[in-house]
Amino acid sequence: QKEVEQNSGPLSVPEGAIASLNCTYSDRGSQSFFWYRQYSGKSPELIMSIYSNGDKEDGRFTAQLNKASQYVSLLIRDSQPSDSATYLCAAQMDSSYKLIFGSGTRLLVRP
Amino acid sequence: DGGITQSPKYLFRKEGQNVTLSCEQNLNHDAMYWYRQDPGQGLRLIYYSQIVNDFQKGDIAEGYSVSREKKESFPLTVTSAQKNPTAFYLCASSIGSGNSPLHFGNGTRLTVT
Repeated sequence: QKEVEQNSGPLSVPEGAIASLNCTYSDRGSQSFFWYRQYSGKSPELIMSIYSNGDKEDGRFTAQLNKASQYVSLLIRDSQPSDSATYLCAAQMDSSYKLIFGSGTRLLVRP
Repeated sequence: DGGITQSPKYLFRKEGQNVTLSCEQNLNHDAMYWYRQDPGQGLRLIYYSQIVNDFQKGDIAEGYSVSREKKESFPLTVTSAQKNPTAFYLCASSIGSGNSPLHFGNGTRLTVT
């Protein structure tokens, strides 16, 4: 069973701090990775995509990928209370274009 | 505006009844997907379609059926054979090429009693 694993949390950080969210995946053949943010009762929205080893930055968000360790992370700088949500990691595991999702990490940003 | 429309937002049914959830997209995406989400859990793939008139089972297809007669539409039927149908159902689409992310509709919350 191909899997994506995330710590369910909650991860609690103070406002202005860096939040670090982590994800591991089981299939070495995975090529594409995505982070989605999901507010309670809402649908997921895409935050970041990353396809090659290293860091990718977009505003306050940085995605990091290490294929050798099968590890993906998301850093949120200057965390805001509005960042409080569940963050879903997803991996595209084969050529069928379907994504496998982790169960999500709940982030709480304390004012 | 381009997007994915799911309807209805909330749906209530009695046990033993089939119910169809609508999903329409005007993004001109080739691929469409149905996921199910249970409280505190991630998304699990029910069915997906990469092209019109073709679809594949996902990880939890039992008790569900789909059709893809038009590029824009990918309705999901929850049949009476689905043992635990109460859940949040999410439809998504993507360009369909490698490395393409999914874009989600707003979801349908189905309650079966």
